[in-house]
Amino acid sequence: DQQVKQNSPSLSVQEGRISILNCDYTNSMFDYFLWYKKYPAEGPTFLISISSIKDKNEDGRFTVFLNKSAKHLSLHIVPSQPGDSAVYFCAASAGAQKLVFGQGTRLTINP
Amino acid sequence: NAGVTQTPKFQVLKTGQSMTLQCAQDMNHEYMSWYRQDPGMGLRLIHYSVGAGITDQGEVPNGYNVSRSTTEDFPLRLLSAAPSQTSVYFCASRRPGLADTQYFGPGTRLTVL
Repeated sequence: DQQVKQNSPSLSVQEGRISILNCDYTNSMFDYFLWYKKYPAEGPTFLISISSIKDKNEDGRFTVFLNKSAKHLSLHIVPSQPGDSAVYFCAASAGAQKLVFGQGTRLTINP
Repeated sequence: NAGVTQTPKFQVLKTGQSMTLQCAQDMNHEYMSWYRQDPGMGLRLIHYSVGAGITDQGEVPNGYNVSRSTTEDFPLRLLSAAPSQTSVYFCASRRPGLADTQYFGPGTRLTVL
């Protein structure tokens, strides 16, 4: 039972354009959501998070949107840069306990 | 600070062999976790610990043992390796209550033949 799903295994975007990565969840008890970025041969690194009491959180070029009624969150990167090419994982937790991760989306930024 | 360190980086085992994946952190974090990453499956939690002497099972604990005798170390033991345990293993640590402060190690790539 996959509680957090990233249905797009890969995404290709032109440099300078907007990248939108999507994530869906099924557990209504999740109250904290995170995005991690992973380069090859490295561990994931924290990118941005959002609490369930908010619907948007912004940090520089990165914005996360949360739609609780649809149980959907998205990560917007604008403008996209070559260094953004990586695998992105969304994750969720209930009560700051265990993190449940999605399958990941491989983002490729083309020059 | 070294953060979260893992050894070895790579390991090849034969079916039935045992080994221990080492994980250490120098941030005095109470929470530590082990994940495995498989293609199309994302990161799945194997075992976790909320403090020295306290461990619990995650999503995929079968075939793995853990112990937490100190705050710094959280080794993962494979008692009898199986090809299904071929994966990349990540250790992570964080402070309690703040999920976004979770730091991951660089990973151990394990192949079981």
